[in-house]
Amino acid sequence: GQQVMQIPQYQHVQEGEDFTTYCNSSTTLSNIQWYKQRPGGHPVFLIQLVKSGEVKKQKRLTFQFGEAKKNSSLHITATQTTDVGTYFCTSGTYKYIFGTGTRLKVLA
Amino acid sequence: ETGVTQSPTHLIKTRGQQVTLRCSSQSGHNTVSWYQQALGQGPQFIFQYYREEENGRGNFPPRFSGLQFPNYSSELNVNALELDDSALYLCASSFKRESTDTQYFGPGTRLTVL
Repeated sequence: GQQVMQIPQYQHVQEGEDFTTYCNSSTTLSNIQWYKQRPGGHPVFLIQLVKSGEVKKQKRLTFQFGEAKKNSSLHITATQTTDVGTYFCTSGTYKYIFGTGTRLKVLA
Repeated sequence: ETGVTQSPTHLIKTRGQQVTLRCSSQSGHNTVSWYQQALGQGPQFIFQYYREEENGRGNFPPRFSGLQFPNYSSELNVNALELDDSALYLCASSFKRESTDTQYFGPGTRLTVL
């Protein structure tokens, strides 16, 4: 069925290392949204991308929407312990189906 | 904080009972979506309400039902509770506009079914 796949499912990094998570779809997406959920918390909206090839930055976070609007990535530069959590992508195209997310652990 | 509130924060019920969860939308939002999140999983879309009408439903049985009120607050009702209904229930409010329907989540209600 229609869904958005995320890889990797888990990532452990040393503090200061970079981290990237990828979101892939078999069909063209109208938009892509990224959320972060801290352990024990609720999803918090990070950003929405709408245009083909769009790149947006939020401090150490860089979000990219593919040219074909079928994939997206979230890159964190120089991770910190505050980046710990699960990162989800979703899209209104699929009635907000969330994947299992990428769980990030940062080792101090 | 998003301004989306949910009550109660925690709830314990027994199998077969019924439960009502409540959500108050962020000011200015006209759409509420409900999600079920099991431990270690991503949120699963239950349904969405827009202007008091159901506007899309996920793969959940009819015993999951909802309401949206004129002030855009919402309720999720679950009848005949099953053990697998134990989860975090999240509501998310948004202002529906074409292709930019950003959702803001509330803190959730943790439901335990014994």
